[in-house]
Amino acid sequence: NAGVTQTPKFQVLKTGQSMTLQCAQDMNHNSMYWYRQDPGMGLRLIYYSASEGTTDKGEVPNGYNVSRLNKREFSLRLESAAPSQTSVYFCASNSGGSLYYEQYFGPGTRLTVT
Amino acid sequence: AQSVTQLGSHVSVSEGALVLLRCNYSSSVPPYLFWYVQYPNQGLQLLLKYTSAATLVKGINGFEAEFKKSETSFHLTKPSAHMSDAAEYFCAVSLAGNNRKLIWGLGTSLAVNP
Repeated sequence: NAGVTQTPKFQVLKTGQSMTLQCAQDMNHNSMYWYRQDPGMGLRLIYYSASEGTTDKGEVPNGYNVSRLNKREFSLRLESAAPSQTSVYFCASNSGGSLYYEQYFGPGTRLTVT
Repeated sequence: AQSVTQLGSHVSVSEGALVLLRCNYSSSVPPYLFWYVQYPNQGLQLLLKYTSAATLVKGINGFEAEFKKSETSFHLTKPSAHMSDAAEYFCAVSLAGNNRKLIWGLGTSLAVNP
């Protein structure tokens, strides 16, 4: 049981390049989330998917797109990377049951845009 | 609107000393509250959570937190700090609704001095 996995672990992009961050969970969870973490700003929600087939914007969706490919996988795409998107990106999942069920996090992707 | 405030972005304690990390919440409904820990270069993992079953909650690694409704607080404590406790700690509250989003505090970085 691997939990939440993310690929790649590290990535360096040039401004204007595109890339997709991959996330998968093997816990049969309904809900999945993408966050970015920047120093002093805590965790900010980019997009989430409450269930398979649905996606919604979070606090900071500009410059990103997502795809909930199936119940297991939730990808985050940067179409034209900008230096402001340099960050650590975390994927998380939740069973979608009671409000006191916690989110489970992946190890993160460290992205640098030059 | 729900919100979470963590008082003190940086806390420093000596090894063996009491650890106290503060979290106050604002919620119009009974909250579900979480403490997560993030070790350097890792993802977040759950320390403990309040589910209304008991006001004093025990978590992993000797941490505990007490829910105080009158003070709208959920402070995290550990009687005796260990060097391995050095990490970033996040408090979060579960948002009502069926998307299972969390509202996050900005985090507190704990340093443990020998």
